[in-house]
Amino acid sequence: KAGVTQTPRYLIKTRGQQVTLSCSPISGHRSVSWYQQTPGQGLQFLFEYFSETQRNKGNFPGRFSGRQFSNSRSEMNVSTLELGDSALYLCASSPSGTSYNEQFFGPGTRLTVL
Amino acid sequence: GQQVMQIPQYQHVQEGEDFTTYCNSSTTLSNIQWYKQRPGGHPVFLIQLVKSGEVKKQKRLTFQFGEAKKNSSLHITATQTTDVGTYFCAGRDSGGYQKVTFGIGTKLQVIP
Repeated sequence: KAGVTQTPRYLIKTRGQQVTLSCSPISGHRSVSWYQQTPGQGLQFLFEYFSETQRNKGNFPGRFSGRQFSNSRSEMNVSTLELGDSALYLCASSPSGTSYNEQFFGPGTRLTVL
Repeated sequence: GQQVMQIPQYQHVQEGEDFTTYCNSSTTLSNIQWYKQRPGGHPVFLIQLVKSGEVKKQKRLTFQFGEAKKNSSLHITATQTTDVGTYFCAGRDSGGYQKVTFGIGTKLQVIP
């Protein structure tokens, strides 16, 4: 099976712009979670989707949003970018809706905001 | 909200020495998972602990889940250079589909 894929892998934007990141989970996986990783803060949970519904949300401002499509692919959007949004954005998929599944991470999208 | 504290943040060990990282949650967890992230890579699942007091071993790695399901540890015996990376714990709140909270991670450096 192919792993989790994320596009693009690298992105450079300027303050005030918006960005959309994409994640394709492992085939058959219905749950997708997004994380922001920075050196000082570790992995911060953004949101989790299951069957097109947002099941959980982290403590991020409303500029961060996401969605999941019927094929389980997911996108996250960040509007009005700030310098502090520079980070590695990781997507992770898991097989089903239980709380007991391991997460399979993608390679991440490295976002740089200038 | 739930907090998961992980210590130490950094650890340098001589090859062959042991290494331990600890996680402590502010709330009772339904389960805890451990992940390893190699430099430049993404987190990779190592193991999941579910039962109170559970101990699991993977070769030189020993994972423990506390009796109260609020703390966990990962111990590596006789470290090797291949153990280099950042080790994260990830705890999920008990009760329903609660979000996962990751510890800040412990970055392990092994000196040959």
